[in-house]
Amino acid sequence: GENVEQHPSTLSVQEGDSAVIKCTYSDSASNYFPWYKQELGKRPQLIIDIRSNVGEKKDQRIAVTLNKTAKHFSLHITETQPEDSAVYFCAARGFQKLVFGTGTRLLVSP
Amino acid sequence: GAVVSQHPSWVICKSGTSVKIECRSLDFQATTMFWYRQFPKQSLMLMATSNEGSKATYEQGVEKDKFLINHASLTLSTLTVTSAHPEDSSFYICSARGRSNQPQHFGDGTRLSIL
Repeated sequence: GENVEQHPSTLSVQEGDSAVIKCTYSDSASNYFPWYKQELGKRPQLIIDIRSNVGEKKDQRIAVTLNKTAKHFSLHITETQPEDSAVYFCAARGFQKLVFGTGTRLLVSP
Repeated sequence: GAVVSQHPSWVICKSGTSVKIECRSLDFQATTMFWYRQFPKQSLMLMATSNEGSKATYEQGVEKDKFLINHASLTLSTLTVTSAHPEDSSFYICSARGRSNQPQHFGDGTRLSIL
């Protein structure tokens, strides 16, 4: 089955810096890659997603890139703000199941 | 946008009791619903996948007789934790999806504490 690895597990940046979180997946049949932001005790919220027929997608300060050949995808957050502090999960979906990465705790210091 | 409602949000009960958690899609028809469990500081682990009108498909290691899932309509799925014990204490989150190419939308989760 699908296996998703995520790095780093924790990331501390200063406000205004960029943050990059990387994920790799194992199943070449996976074709949908969402990113979720989860604040403590709350639901995961979809922040951006990308499908396998696209290499990059951007939404304001957030961008995601996908390298199908290497089975890598990354989340890029620019001009980070303290309210970006949360746990971020990548995920990969093939036939039906969404498999999550282990999460990255992002801390943005003012 | 798509809204998924999950109730209750918080349950505390004694060991040995059964707890039912409801998951409803409020503004779309959920062909497929998913149940996840999340332990503190860990990722979301899929417990089971249910399609409306069909039996749920459980992930390896998840006891189907302990975690009963019903998906009787396109807007409602329930998870019943039977004879709950302290080790079942966790954050349970449901997720719903319409067509297979659509995103999954998550409920607010249920924090279950078994004393």
